[in-house]
Amino acid sequence: DSGVTQTPKHLITATGQRVTLRCSPRSGDLSVYWYQQSLDQGLQFLIQYYNGEERAKGNILERFSAQQFPDLHSELNLSSLELGDSALYFCASSAAPLVDTQYFGPGTRLTVL
Amino acid sequence: EDQVTQSPEALRLQEGESSSLNCSYTVSGLRGLFWYRQDPGKGPEFLFTLYSAGEEKEKERLKATLTKKESFLHITAPKPEDSATYLCAVGPGGAGNNRKLIWGLGTSLAVNP
Repeated sequence: DSGVTQTPKHLITATGQRVTLRCSPRSGDLSVYWYQQSLDQGLQFLIQYYNGEERAKGNILERFSAQQFPDLHSELNLSSLELGDSALYFCASSAAPLVDTQYFGPGTRLTVL
Repeated sequence: EDQVTQSPEALRLQEGESSSLNCSYTVSGLRGLFWYRQDPGKGPEFLFTLYSAGEEKEKERLKATLTKKESFLHITAPKPEDSATYLCAVGPGGAGNNRKLIWGLGTSLAVNP
């Protein structure tokens, strides 16, 4: 158990809908990262927050947005969902804002029908 | 361009048959090199962080080594429970978005009893 929690574990929705994925980092970690992993694809970095502020951005679509709250939990919002958005979404956390060991949560499996 | 390449893509071993996985990288500066293990449908599990050439780390049957251009993950006398995908990630130097990790596509390891 990494100490990073993600909810929900599974999410099934329809095209065009909007969903919110939630992540709680390890106790004491200030950085949160979001990744997407499609079937047979590598990990795609989406976005990083550190202590409430956006720190780095990857290949995140404009339909996707994220935020980190004062209690350090983070939410990833996915809107106007398409079939191709079906994937595993992982949250990771680390202590520092710069490159540091990242600890991953169990993931949320999103299925868009 | 920063790049991480893992080889082989897939590896099948007999129980007890030792082998090595390779992670070669080209980045401008190196903040750290990370090895993770990922089971199907699960979040990556942190294994090792290496920071400088010549550094080695061990954990049970796994040993990670680092040179200026590549890292090896040596698996000694593997067991079926070592079957997983092994991911390598590199943290390049520099400011801004260079803080994000560059991920390899992984080596899928299967250990037959």
